[in-house]
Amino acid sequence: GAVVSQHPSRVICKSGTSVKIECRSLDFQATTMFWYRQFPKQSLMLMATSNEGSKATYEQGVEKDKFLINHASLTLSTLTVTSAHPEDSSFYICSAQPPGLAGDNEQFFGPGTRLTVL
Amino acid sequence: QKEVEQNSGPLSVPEGAIASLNCTYSDRGSQSFFWYRQYSGKSPELIMSIYSNGDKEDGRFTAQLNKASQYVSLLIRDSQPSDSATYLCAVNQYNFNKFYFGSGTKLNVKP
Repeated sequence: GAVVSQHPSRVICKSGTSVKIECRSLDFQATTMFWYRQFPKQSLMLMATSNEGSKATYEQGVEKDKFLINHASLTLSTLTVTSAHPEDSSFYICSAQPPGLAGDNEQFFGPGTRLTVL
Repeated sequence: QKEVEQNSGPLSVPEGAIASLNCTYSDRGSQSFFWYRQYSGKSPELIMSIYSNGDKEDGRFTAQLNKASQYVSLLIRDSQPSDSATYLCAVNQYNFNKFYFGSGTKLNVKP
């Protein structure tokens, strides 16, 4: 159980284009999903927390107009990188958290999406 | 001040030995603690979660939590080359339900 999928696993795009990444919880309902970014040899950096049916909460320094997050259902959240530039090239990882007592719940990670912007 | 601190390593141990990974955190309000393993180019996978002071064992893994010292550790017994990875410590703050990750400790288990 607790399987999270991400699509696509790898994407290469031209500078200025937009890229959408999907995150799905396959066998549980996720009231909360998290989006992380990881640069080479660095740890995970939380970008935003997404709660189903409400606006995402972005971390300081993360542009909400550039990284659009939609959590339309209990099993799907999407991250759209708008007008991508080479500095946005990174490993984007989502995680999903089953409903329950906030803070005690584990999060389960998707396999990640490697974005390369040319 | 970083929320969660880990020694970056690498920590090298021979096969069959015990690997000891350590993590300290700054927020005394932290309530949940997690250890993740991350292989190069892959996303993290959960190894252990611990919520109460003391030890929690699962197979070859033992997590230890000391809230008074703000310290959490992971012991890996009978280390195998397949355990070679980066181990991430994560702390969740109850009031905000936000996970803070350490920078990770790279473990090398030598055959």
